[in-house]
Order: sequence, then structure tokens, then C-alpha cells
Amino acid sequence: DAKTTQPNSMESNEEEPVHLPCNHSTISGTDYIHWYRQLPSQGPEYVIHGLTSNVNNRMASLAIAEDRKSSTLILHRATLRDAAVYYCIDPDMRFGAGTRLTVKP
Amino acid sequence: GAVVSQHPSWVICKSGTSVKIECRSLDFQATTMFWYRQFPKQSLMLMATSNEGSKATYEQGVEKDKFLINHASLTLSTLTVTSAHPEDSSFYICSAGTSGRVNEQFFGPGTRLTVL
Repeated sequence: DAKTTQPNSMESNEEEPVHLPCNHSTISGTDYIHWYRQLPSQGPEYVIHGLTSNVNNRMASLAIAEDRKSSTLILHRATLRDAAVYYCIDPDMRFGAGTRLTVKP
Repeated sequence: GAVVSQHPSWVICKSGTSVKIECRSLDFQATTMFWYRQFPKQSLMLMATSNEGSKATYEQGVEKDKFLINHASLTLSTLTVTSAHPEDSSFYICSAGTSGRVNEQFFGPGTRLTVL
């Protein structure tokens, strides 16, 4: 079983920020935290990864808790195209249930 | 970013036949590839981990004689579903990456298998 837990679903309004949480309390000190997202009938798409420091890229930001037991993926301005299932995956590449993000216009 | 392809993108076969799915890393060498299956409305389920030049490591409950995995080169891994049955109908997805601290993986677009 995956070692990550996420809320099943979240909703956001278009153009508003979205914070997607993930608990990974069993992660080791050297394991990176990876986030992917998946649109229907497609393979997962890489979003971001990080180790200890907060990370930013053109898609999102990743805020990692100081104890590394949790992280939050931040979409600064959600668009309709961001509607997807978001996964933080464990270091063994196992997927949990993910969070289904719905973006309302 | 790195590109991973899968072939075919979809396949329909008769019950009892075997189907081979290819996973290729197009612009990098992949020391590790992972195979997943995904049923409708569910998450990805890891089936096996494949390292180039060695036998695949299967997850508990996945029949290695039914789902044959070959990782013969650094750019190609294949999954063969032998004696397919309707319950094997699923979306099969591979990922490819390089081993190391970051363990970044890149996913293929998936293959939709329908067994009649």
C-alpha cells in the first residue's frame, strides 16, 4: 500500500489559489517528495518535486513541512485546465488515491 | 522534459490471446521502469519494477507468469499479458527513469487493453 494520504477531493474557483495537502509521515530523510497529476485517459504528468526546501516552478509551488512528514502543493491561480487528480507518491513509486481537484468557472 | 512512449495506445483482443505492450524512453536511458494498471475511477496500481538487464520485481498478488516483463535495453521495456481474459481489461501505464537520489520518473501515455 502507498505510504501517502491525501484528501479524496477538493474544489476551487477559477483564478483562485489552491492548496493540496499530502501526508507522508514514513518518508526517510533522503527521499524526495514527488507530485504528479493525471487527466482522464492519460498518463500522469510530472508537476514538481522537492527534498527539504520549498520549491517553485512554472506549474506550481511545493511547501514542505520542516519535519518532512507533510507537504502542500500550491497552484497559485487555478485554471480550468488544472482540473485533474493530483498525486503525491511514495518513494517506492506507489500511488495513493490522490485528490480530485475540481475547478469551477 | 523527457519523453516516454507506449505502443500500442489501445488494443482489442480475444480472450485467450497474448498482448505485448511496449514502453520506450525516447531521449534518455532508463535504468528503471515501472508498470502500472489502472481501472476506471481508481488510482494507479503498481504491478512491477523493472531494472535493465535483470528480472522484474513483482508486487504481491501480481502473477509473474501472466504478466511477463522484459527490460532488455536502457530504452525499452515490454509487458506481455499472456492468455488474456476480460478481467485483464484495463489501462496499462509505464514510467521510466534513472535511479539515483531524486528518482525522477516520466510516465507514458498509457495503453488501453480491452479483452473480449
